[in-house]
Amino acid sequence: DVKVTQSSRYLVKRTGEKVFLECVQDMDHENMFWYRQDPGLGLRLIYFSYDVKMKEKGDIPEGYSVSREKKERFSLILESASTNQTSMYLCATLWPLGRGATNEKLFFGSGTQLSVL
Amino acid sequence: AQTVTQSQPEMSVQEAETVTLSCTYDTSESNYYLFWYKQPPSRQMILVIRQEAYKQQNATENRFSVNFQKAAKSFSLKISDSQLGDTAMYFCAFDSNRDDKIIFGKGTRLHILP
Repeated sequence: DVKVTQSSRYLVKRTGEKVFLECVQDMDHENMFWYRQDPGLGLRLIYFSYDVKMKEKGDIPEGYSVSREKKERFSLILESASTNQTSMYLCATLWPLGRGATNEKLFFGSGTQLSVL
Repeated sequence: AQTVTQSQPEMSVQEAETVTLSCTYDTSESNYYLFWYKQPPSRQMILVIRQEAYKQQNATENRFSVNFQKAAKSFSLKISDSQLGDTAMYFCAFDSNRDDKIIFGKGTRLHILP
């Protein structure tokens, strides 16, 4: 079974702190994603990555950056946390890739509930 | 830019009834994938069903089936013989075959009542 591990289930940080959310997958998948989930807004894509050192902005990248130094790890960084970044953060990988794959699906981590005070 | 719209924020049905969740999307692409994901109270996202846009036949998975209308850009989920365990948030998602950017709708909270 594919495993996508997010380092913390709950996290409490202070305004202005630099925050790292870690995501590790064990299946050598190329595509990885970071979403935030808020009530009434669904899942919104922050950043995604095709491969090591590759990154693409999603729909709401402001206030966030990402790092992908190794294939299995995709980190989301809040450079200076703000209260409006209090949210549930979900990491996911995609496998197998499209363009003919018949069983492509996202594999999700269990989420990190981040509170910024 | 692609968008996904789920127009029903919340629904409730009695156990054993059939329920249909709506999803519409907007894209200029002709080849893509569509998904329905379920998120129970445990928060773990679970794939319910997927559909390739090039396939005319509607996907089915046991009690779950879709009504895929490509021209209308509609992708509804039908749950037959609903069970208490179907209580969850349901998200519709669009996967661009061009860049594998996957976007989600706002979700529908489904309550199955005993």
